[in-house]
Amino acid sequence: DIQMTQSPSSLSASVGDRVTITCRASQSISSYLNWYQQKPGKAPKLLIYAASSLQSGVPSRFSGSGSGTDFTLTISSLQPEDFATYYCQQSYSTRAFGGGTKVEIK
Amino acid sequence: QVQLQESGPGLVKPSQTLSLTCTVSGGSISSGDYYWSWIRQPPGKGLEWIGYIYYSGSTYYNPSLKSRVTISVDTSKNQFSLKLSSVTAADTAVYYCARERAIGDAFDIWGQGTMVTVSS
Repeated sequence: DIQMTQSPSSLSASVGDRVTITCRASQSISSYLNWYQQKPGKAPKLLIYAASSLQSGVPSRFSGSGSGTDFTLTISSLQPEDFATYYCQQSYSTRAFGGGTKVEIK
Repeated sequence: QVQLQESGPGLVKPSQTLSLTCTVSGGSISSGDYYWSWIRQPPGKGLEWIGYIYYSGSTYYNPSLKSRVTISVDTSKNQFSLKLSSVTAADTAVYYCARERAIGDAFDIWGQGTMVTVSS
């Protein structure tokens, strides 16, 4: 099975900061990598699919990059509503999620 | 606007079978482009994919759960279902149903989730 490792597991940031979250696959998954945002008590929400495609309705401050084994999610200017937990997920084989990155207010 | 809604018992006894149903509204489960998944999240922990089903009935399960999982579809009711046998406390989680847009794509629509507790 392909393992997904996210880093950091948590981070503290201020409104307006640029935030980068990384996700590494244990073997190449091409561009079969998706990113989700989850707020407490809610279902995850799709942000980025196919590594770098922005889901309809998602603000342009979110962006994704990478291919193969290394991927990043970037929030260009953190907004109050962005404080949440973020998960990467590979859809190359048996679906698997990273462990999550909790973005907290500094 | 397609919506998904999970339903089923919130409490299951150890060793019994957990059964949940996901009802699809606003669209047909038989639309050929989509795969229908179950995903779970233990309290305070991350997400675990359980498996998916295509409207034709073909399935693919997470190998870690395969021996205990059955996912089925009822196209006449626009529903798909999950059965997880021989449950233990480790199966306590929020269970989500979700739509995968196409094979190898992302989960673009999720249900709100339903909490299932395994306890005697």
